[in-house]
Amino acid sequence: EPEVTQTPSHQVTQMGQEVILRCVPISNHLYFYWYRQILGQKVEFLVSFYNNEISEKSEIFDDQFSVERPDGSNFTLKIRSTKLEDSAMYFCASSSTLQGAKHFGDGTRLSIL
Amino acid sequence: KNQVEQSPQSLIILEGKNCTLQCNYTVSPFSNLRWYKQDTGRGPVSLTIMTFSENTKSNGRYTATLDADTKQSSLHITASQLSDSASYICVVSANGDKLIFGTGTRLQVFP
Repeated sequence: EPEVTQTPSHQVTQMGQEVILRCVPISNHLYFYWYRQILGQKVEFLVSFYNNEISEKSEIFDDQFSVERPDGSNFTLKIRSTKLEDSAMYFCASSSTLQGAKHFGDGTRLSIL
Repeated sequence: KNQVEQSPQSLIILEGKNCTLQCNYTVSPFSNLRWYKQDTGRGPVSLTIMTFSENTKSNGRYTATLDADTKQSSLHITASQLSDSASYICVVSANGDKLIFGTGTRLQVFP
């Protein structure tokens, strides 16, 4: 069964540095998402992306964050000037329709030191 | 404020037993309600999706119910197996894009 794949599985970065989290959504999916889960807390929506543009974003997704679909397969989340509180598990998801099942990757654990 | 509350926070049952997890939500407008299973260290996996007009949906040993009037949902697991040990998350969609997650119920199944 097709899967959403995320790399790296674990990223350790110094505070203030930039990180890029990578995702390969399921190939025929059209809707792409980023979520994050701080340790011990619930999953939170960050951003949705459709037709090469952001369709919705949460209050968390400020100017520090950006998303890009640089080619036909990758979907990236860039975090600039990382802060300690950015430490979390970041999940990518994709779906073929707006109301359909969202398929999640296994996440990237981001640790900011 | 859009919120999804789940109970219990954690649950321990013996293999072969049934259990029911609860979800209450205050989300408007309501689009659909989803139950996800999240194994430790993995991403959430979709179990069921229900729209406003559906009040029950099954996926193998998992049966979800939805009462849109009282804004409550439940997930019933029949004949539990060790592999059912996971967090079960109730997720409500206000529109198609934005999912609002509950804090989950951590289920442990012991032999």
